[in-house]
Amino acid sequence: DIQMTQSPSSLSASVGDKVTITCRASQSIDGHLNWYQHKPRKAPRLLIYGASSLESGVPSRFSGSGSATDFTLTISVLQPEDFATYYCQQTYDTPPTFGQGTKVEIK
Amino acid sequence: QVQLVQSGAEVKRPGASVKISCKASGYTFSIHYVHWVRQAPGQGLEWMGWINPNTGGTYYAQKFQDWVTMTRDTSIGTAYMELQRLTSDATAVYYCTRDQGESYNDAFDVWGQGTMVTVSS
Repeated sequence: DIQMTQSPSSLSASVGDKVTITCRASQSIDGHLNWYQHKPRKAPRLLIYGASSLESGVPSRFSGSGSATDFTLTISVLQPEDFATYYCQQTYDTPPTFGQGTKVEIK
Repeated sequence: QVQLVQSGAEVKRPGASVKISCKASGYTFSIHYVHWVRQAPGQGLEWMGWINPNTGGTYYAQKFQDWVTMTRDTSIGTAYMELQRLTSDATAVYYCTRDQGESYNDAFDVWGQGTMVTVSS
């Protein structure tokens, strides 16, 4: 199975900050990388697919980049509703695997 | 409105079985694979398997092969996941989710609200 490693595991940030989360795959996954936002007692929400494509309805402050094994999710200006856990996921190979998550907390 | 609506929370004894439903609406059910993902307490997201709603074909993660069964009823646009021989390790929130594309290897773009399954004696 392809292992996905996110860093950091958690971070504290303030409203208005720029936040960057990285995700590394154990082998090349081309651009088959997706990002999800997950809040407690809610369903996960797709933010970015194909490494850099913004899902419909997702604010433009979210962006994704990267290829092969190294990927980044950036939140350009953190908003109060963005405090959540973020997961990367590869869909290059079966089984699809998720990173361990990055919890974004209020500083 | 495209949505997946899951059945309600369940409390089961060890050794029992549970069957969770996932009703699709707002799109053609047979086109998009349905995946199941779970989150155990304090843990991350874990993929369990998929079902092809058109053919009924399934693929399960190796970890779940011996105790999960995914089925569907195309007449009512509903997918099901049955978990057998439950142990406390099965306590988790279970999500159904739709594959964005027409196969099994795209992003998961629509999610059910989750079903909490608690296994306790």
